[in-house]
Amino acid sequence: QVQLQESGPGLVKPSETLSLTCTVSGGSFSGYYWSWIRQPAGKGLEWIGRIYSSGSTSYNPSLKSRVTMSVDTSKNQFSLKLSSVTAADTAMYYCARVPITGTTNDWFDPWGLGTLVTVSS
Amino acid sequence: DIQMTQSPSSLSASVGDRVTITCRASQSISSYLNWYHQKPGKAPKLLIYAASSLQSGVPSRFSGSGSGTDFSLTISSLQPEDFATYYCQQSYSTPRTFGQGTKVEIK
Repeated sequence: QVQLQESGPGLVKPSETLSLTCTVSGGSFSGYYWSWIRQPAGKGLEWIGRIYSSGSTSYNPSLKSRVTMSVDTSKNQFSLKLSSVTAADTAMYYCARVPITGTTNDWFDPWGLGTLVTVSS
Repeated sequence: DIQMTQSPSSLSASVGDRVTITCRASQSISSYLNWYHQKPGKAPKLLIYAASSLQSGVPSRFSGSGSGTDFSLTISSLQPEDFATYYCQQSYSTPRTFGQGTKVEIK
């Protein structure tokens, strides 16, 4: 079955850019949306945005000015860049697959294991 | 943004209990509501999609209902592996938003 695995630096300095990659294995990459979701320690879930396998994107307006997502279909990977990070961006970052249902009704399944990113000097 | 409010924030229950968690949206979201649970140190897992459809592989003791603004997740007979935090999530509009979570603890 499809599996997702996040990778990237676990420590980022304030004002720098957070960069993460999600590698998809065991299933099709094309024809799905792919999302990033984050969760500060002990807190709830925040949707960061999503990218279609063709490259079209949709971002959370609260982060839009700092977020860039991209895909590399040759490697079955999609990536997240979050610029000008602060301590408030410290969180567990998850990637997830989003099915195309023909309506706006969609969901996140499956999820990657997550990767902890700490913003600190 | 559509605000999702869950209640209660936490509950204590015993194995075998029937448990219901509610989720209210700040505006009508039709049936565009999903439920997840998350165990400590793990990623969330999809339980219910489109308000009442059981995800493949999820035990039938889980059920969802509701439409419009009010939704519920019911566990008919709580099992030891069900102690976790439960989240609702709307997919009616962007940005996708989640409830604050309901922690189900052992009594």
